[in-house]
Amino acid sequence: GQNIDQPTEMTATEGAIVQINCTYQTSGFNGLFWYQQHAGEAPTFLSYNVLDGLEEKGRFSSFLSRSKGYSYLLLKELQMKDSASYLCAVRDGDYKLSFGAGTTVTVRA
Amino acid sequence: NAGVTQTPKFRILKIGQSMTLQCTQDMNHNYMYWYRQDPGMGLKLIYYSVGAGITDKGEVPNGYNVSRSTTEDFPLRLELAAPSQTSVYFCASSYSDTSTEAFFGQGTRLTVV
Repeated sequence: GQNIDQPTEMTATEGAIVQINCTYQTSGFNGLFWYQQHAGEAPTFLSYNVLDGLEEKGRFSSFLSRSKGYSYLLLKELQMKDSASYLCAVRDGDYKLSFGAGTTVTVRA
Repeated sequence: NAGVTQTPKFRILKIGQSMTLQCTQDMNHNYMYWYRQDPGMGLKLIYYSVGAGITDKGEVPNGYNVSRSTTEDFPLRLELAAPSQTSVYFCASSYSDTSTEAFFGQGTRLTVV
């Protein structure tokens, strides 16, 4: 089965930077995704990595190292609206999409 | 563009009752997924399908059944509802051969009493 690990909670100050790590072990690999989920809502897509390296998208960046089974999501210039759960998801060799338990980020003023 | 549509949004079931959660997508996606999310937890994969006529078990399939007779529809069936199935259910769909993300429906909040 899949094993996807990420920290449970993180707290940061408005305007700061936070890095959320994700490690995974899967049978085959067809991409890693990061989603944002506000309480009571459906997950929304943030980023996708399938090759090693950094993908930048505005205030959000995501990094992947396939050899290490490791990714991180970097949130810059934190805003209060960034308080949410961030989900790491991996698509395996059978195109099964599995999620980690999520990291709750709290942004303080 | 409707995307992924789930019905109903809310439902209360009595123990032992049956129901079908509907999921329809209009994006011609071949892959579809059903997840459940318990309070404060991540998404757990129940079943998934890589195309019409093909379904596979995910992490937590017990107590559920699915079918995929068309590309658009992927219903989830609960035969004998139990309190442990109280959860929020999300359906998602994606393409298989491009780097696109999975699109999610708005969820079905199910309570079994």
